[in-house]
Amino acid sequence: QKEVEQDPGPLSVPEGAIVSLNCTYSNSAFQYFMWYRQYSRKGPELLMYTYSSGNKEDGRFTAQVDKSSKYISLFIRDSQPSDSATYLCAEGRPGGSEKLVFGKGTKLTVNP
Amino acid sequence: DTAVSQTPKYLVTQMGNDKSIKCEQNLGHDTMYWYKQDSKKFLKIMFSYNNKELIINETVPNRFSPKSPDKAHLNLHINSLELGDSAVYFCASSLGTRELFFGEGSRLTVL
Repeated sequence: QKEVEQDPGPLSVPEGAIVSLNCTYSNSAFQYFMWYRQYSRKGPELLMYTYSSGNKEDGRFTAQVDKSSKYISLFIRDSQPSDSATYLCAEGRPGGSEKLVFGKGTKLTVNP
Repeated sequence: DTAVSQTPKYLVTQMGNDKSIKCEQNLGHDTMYWYKQDSKKFLKIMFSYNNKELIINETVPNRFSPKSPDKAHLNLHINSLELGDSAVYFCASSLGTRELFFGEGSRLTVL
């Protein structure tokens, strides 16, 4: 079993929809969780990160972590065409950024 | 004012050749990385350097050799290129935190 599983999609939604992106992980040692956004032909950029179970909100984005189920989600409210990108989850173990393990990414298209 | 810059952005070369990719960061970070992203978008760490010292060396063929002349630079040299080396190579940096700052990538195509 891979350490981090993420449905690659692609996912296509109309503008204004609520988007749900999900990852599961198998390693209980993971203690922090991130979502990166990658536009086409660009490098990934950090969108959100959290250390604990529960929800964290930032504008239209909500990151949700359930450590008991080893499940993380990213919700995008009122999705916009500019949200069209690949979203990668990443899980980290103590030791810093070098311990990050990325999911394969979900490609999202928001249609106007 | 690019934070993490890599050159070249595109590389097309023949099998068996040797090539280098350069990376520079102007963020004052102490840790730099090379990641490989394959055609399926899977992003996998290759190397990590902290203050010019190699701290991560994943299972990567020894045809790949990183070099860090100083904290702000991390270069990647690849010998005897193979078809399977075709990918996008991303340089990244961080400052003892979890956030990675990525460059725009260097797209390598081996013919």
